[in-house]
Parts: sequence; C-alpha cells; structure tokens
Amino acid sequence: QKEVEQNSGPLSVPEGAIASLNCTYSDRGSQSFFWYRQYSGKSPELIMSIYSNGDKEDGRFTAQLNKASQYVSLLIRDSQPSDSATYLCAVGGFIFNDYKLSFGAGTTVTVRA
Amino acid sequence: DAGITQSPRYKITETGRQVTLMCHQTWSHSYMFWYRQDLGHGLRLIYYSAAADITDKGEVPDGYVVSRSKTENFPLTLESATRSQTSVYFCASSTTADTQYFGPGTRLTVL
Repeated sequence: QKEVEQNSGPLSVPEGAIASLNCTYSDRGSQSFFWYRQYSGKSPELIMSIYSNGDKEDGRFTAQLNKASQYVSLLIRDSQPSDSATYLCAVGGFIFNDYKLSFGAGTTVTVRA
Repeated sequence: DAGITQSPRYKITETGRQVTLMCHQTWSHSYMFWYRQDLGHGLRLIYYSAAADITDKGEVPDGYVVSRSKTENFPLTLESATRSQTSVYFCASSTTADTQYFGPGTRLTVL
C-alpha cells in the first residue's frame, strides 16, 4: 500500500471551472500536509500547506484536511490555463525522531481554454 | 537572492563512471534533501541532512553517497553510475524539515 495516494488523472477542466484534487494517506500520525505544483520540466513549487482539520484558503486555492478520514484535498476555483500542471500531495510526520515527507505520484491537470 | 541552485542542470554519463551533483542554498536552511523523480514513482528521498556533518538515509540510498561539510552545500555522488539511476534529481532545503523548497533539478542520463 502506497503511503500517499492521489487520484490518478489526468484531470481536464474547462476554464473558469473548479478543479478538485484528492489525496489519501496511510499514516494516521501524519502532522503536515502540502500541495506542490509542478509545471512540465520544472521543479515542484509549494502552493499550500495545512496542519489542522478544516479548510484553508489562499486566493483561488483551498486546501481541505480531514484527519479522521486521512484525506486531504485541493480545490482550484476559477481555473485558468496557467493552472495546467501536475499537482503533488505531500504528507509529513515524525517517525521516532526523524521527520519524513512522503509524496504522492501527482495528478496532472489540464485547463481547457 | 539565488535561493537554491543545482549543477549541472543536465548530465550524460556512462555506466560505471562516478558523477557528482551539486546543490547550493543561500538561505542558511538547516535541512537539505536529495530526491529523485521517476515516472510512476513520484518523488523519492535518497538522503537528507539535518545540519552540517549530519546526514541520514532516505527511502532509496543504495548507490549514492552524500556529504555536508558546509551548511550551504550538499553534494550527491553516484560512485559507479548504473542505468537505473537515470532520473531527474531534485535538491531541497528547509528550516524545519517540513516546508521544503526545491532547486531547479538535474536531469541525469546514464548510458
């Protein structure tokens, strides 16, 4: 069982629509949750972090965390062609005294103009 | 403000050769990381360092060696490159290990 699983995609949405990305994780002790955006041929760029249950909004992005269900999601509202990228979910926590950040395989989003 | 840089950006080498990938950060971050990214596997941690002279293995350390004599540098060495080490390598840094910032990456091809 993979530690972090994302909906495999690819996800195609029309411009102006909401893109919904999902991520589940296996370690119930996980403490930190991140969404990275990665354009083709580029490095991952941190766009959202969330640490407690509920919603966190930053501009057109909303991260949602439900620790009981071991589920984190990212909503992209009013999707733009510039949002076309692969989105990586990352989940972190301490294993003994070592912090470990595990990444999902990513979901590729294409926004159709 | 250069942030975090990697060199070379592209490298082609042959099986059995030693290769060193460089990573340099100007933020004075304590933590530094090396990941490889392969299709179907996502990002996998090779090695990390919590501070100068402190390094530890990640998920896929076999075939790699790291050192960290200075806070700002974290080189990754492939002692005898194999075709399975063809990948994109990312260096990252962080103040607290969780919020990590990535360098531009090195695309390595082993023939």
